[in-house]
Amino acid sequence: AQSVSQHNHHVILSEAASLELGCNYSYGGTVNLFWYVQYPGQHLQLLLKYFSGDPLVKGIKGFEAEFIKSKFSFNLRKPSVQWSDTAEYFCAVRTLTGGGNKLTFGTGTQLKVEL
Amino acid sequence: DGGITQSPKYLFRKEGQNVTLSCEQNLNHDAMYWYRQDPGQGLRLIYYSQIVNDFQKGDIAEGYSVSREKKESFPLTVTSAQKNPTAFYLCASSISRGYEAFFGQGTRLTVV
Repeated sequence: AQSVSQHNHHVILSEAASLELGCNYSYGGTVNLFWYVQYPGQHLQLLLKYFSGDPLVKGIKGFEAEFIKSKFSFNLRKPSVQWSDTAEYFCAVRTLTGGGNKLTFGTGTQLKVEL
Repeated sequence: DGGITQSPKYLFRKEGQNVTLSCEQNLNHDAMYWYRQDPGQGLRLIYYSQIVNDFQKGDIAEGYSVSREKKESFPLTVTSAQKNPTAFYLCASSISRGYEAFFGQGTRLTVV
């Protein structure tokens, strides 16, 4: 069964620090990869997505992620975080083989950015 | 405006009662999903449906049931067999495979 692992459960950074959140998945077939963000009191929003092509994808608000197929990873990065980036971040994987459309999420990473 | 509507936002039920959570979308999406969100556990998939009159169990389907009689509607019933039903429930939809999912605002269910 497919699974998604986010190893950092809580991250605290100062403004302007660089961010990298890890995401690994376990599935050998074709996948789509996503990062979602949930700001306090708001619903889940898409940050970025990878379907195919260039493994380095850029999303909204200066976020980017790199798909490394050999490592089954899709880590999220931002060069300089802002206080407004305080939120919970979820990695998600959709499997595309066998007629499936299953979308599985990781356990989330709570990011707190301090002034 | 197009979107996903979950109702109600807050729901209280007595233990032992079944309760149905509503999810409606007017995005013309084929696929719909139900997730449960608990602190520290992320989003866990309960059920998903790729097309009308078809649905599959997710990772934590026990104690839940769904139906997909219409493309725009995917109600979730939390039955009395669900041992720990108090949680935040999220509904999502997507066009089909290969597209991102859009989420509703969620329903917070409290069973007392």
